[in-house]
This record gives sequence, structure tokens and C-alpha cells, in this order.
Amino acid sequence: KAGVTQTPRYLIKTRGQQVTLSCSPISGHRSVSWYQQTPGQGLQFLFEYFSETQRNKGNFPGRFSGRQFSNSRSEMNVSTLELGDSALYLCASSSGLAFNEQFFGPGTRLTVL
Amino acid sequence: KQEVTQIPAALSVPEGENLVLNCSFTDSAIYNLQWFRQDPGKGLTSLLLIQSSQREQTSGRLNASLDKSSGRSTLYIAASQPGDSATYLCAVRRDSSNTGKLIFGQGTTLQVKP
Repeated sequence: KAGVTQTPRYLIKTRGQQVTLSCSPISGHRSVSWYQQTPGQGLQFLFEYFSETQRNKGNFPGRFSGRQFSNSRSEMNVSTLELGDSALYLCASSSGLAFNEQFFGPGTRLTVL
Repeated sequence: KQEVTQIPAALSVPEGENLVLNCSFTDSAIYNLQWFRQDPGKGLTSLLLIQSSQREQTSGRLNASLDKSSGRSTLYIAASQPGDSATYLCAVRRDSSNTGKLIFGQGTTLQVKP
């Protein structure tokens, strides 16, 4: 069974640009969650999508947005990039049901110059 | 507000030693707790998931315990090996409806010396 895949793996952008990250969950999983990991703040929850609907949202500005497609693949978009957005962005896949276990992808390393 | 703390932040042990990693959380009303391993620059690998009704889970050389009333979990690693060197993270899920939201500790970075 294939794991969670994320593309691209590495990305370099400049301030003010926007970026789109992609996540393909494990086959059959309907929930995709996104996390930001930085040395200072650790892992912080961004949002969760289940069956194309945002089910949970963390405490991030509106520049961070996401969506989920009918095949459960999800994209995350960050507009007007700031230096502080440099981080490892991880997505997690789960069944979305009560007793679910989260499985993480390898992450996308975003560097903002 | 739920806060998760892991102590110590870093640990160095000789190969073969048994060790315990600690995780504490401020709100005992959790749904489950999950332990992860993260290698440098990589994603997270799920190690063990403990439901709130369980006291422990075991997988190979790993054993995780949960004491909700005291807000604590421990990850026991038996006969440590250099390949166990990584950062270990614990994360709690608040309730059954928040399926995707995990609250993480800052992690314990483990180094096992040959």
C-alpha cells in the first residue's frame, strides 16, 4: 500500500510570491491534515479536510488556505509569502473516522528568501 | 488550552541501554495519544497509538503507556540501537470529532552511541 506522497519536496520562493503544495493521501483515506514545522514553534496544525470540506482550522492567517478534491488529494496554498513561512510542511492522512491513526508524508521544505 | 511537554529535550545513551521518554499533557480529556519518530529533515513515522481507554501498547522493542488521570505517557525503548537515533514526538488528540488535529510536544532527540 503506497504511503502519503507530497510534491514538491523542496521549494525556494521569494517574499511576496505565492506557493501551492500538494498531498496525496493513502488510498481509501478521506481525511488530509496539514501541519507546519519550524525549529521555534515545532509542529502546528494548519487545517483538516474531510470529503472535500474543511473540518478543522488552526490559528494561522488567511494567507494560508487549502482545498481537497473528490479523489481526496489536497492542496495547500500560501499567498504573499513572508520570511517566517520558511518551514517543513507536512500532510497527514487518515481514515477520518473515530479511531483513526495519522500517517504522515515526507514533507515539503519551503524556503522563502 | 491543551499543552504537551516532553522531557528531556535531548538524550544520549550507549547502545544496549533501556530507556524511557516522557510526555505530559495538561488536559486529561484526550481521545488518544500517538507516538512518532522523525529522522532529520524527514516526515513522521507513526510508532504507537493508544486510545484513551487503553493503558499501554506494544510494538517490538517499543512499549507506550498512558495514564490519563495524571496526564502522562511514557515510551519505553528496550535494548536501544544506533538506528533508534531520531527525534521522538508525542501528540494528543482532543476528542472524536477532531480527527485531524493533533497537538504535539516539542520532541526528545535521542542519540544512541555504538
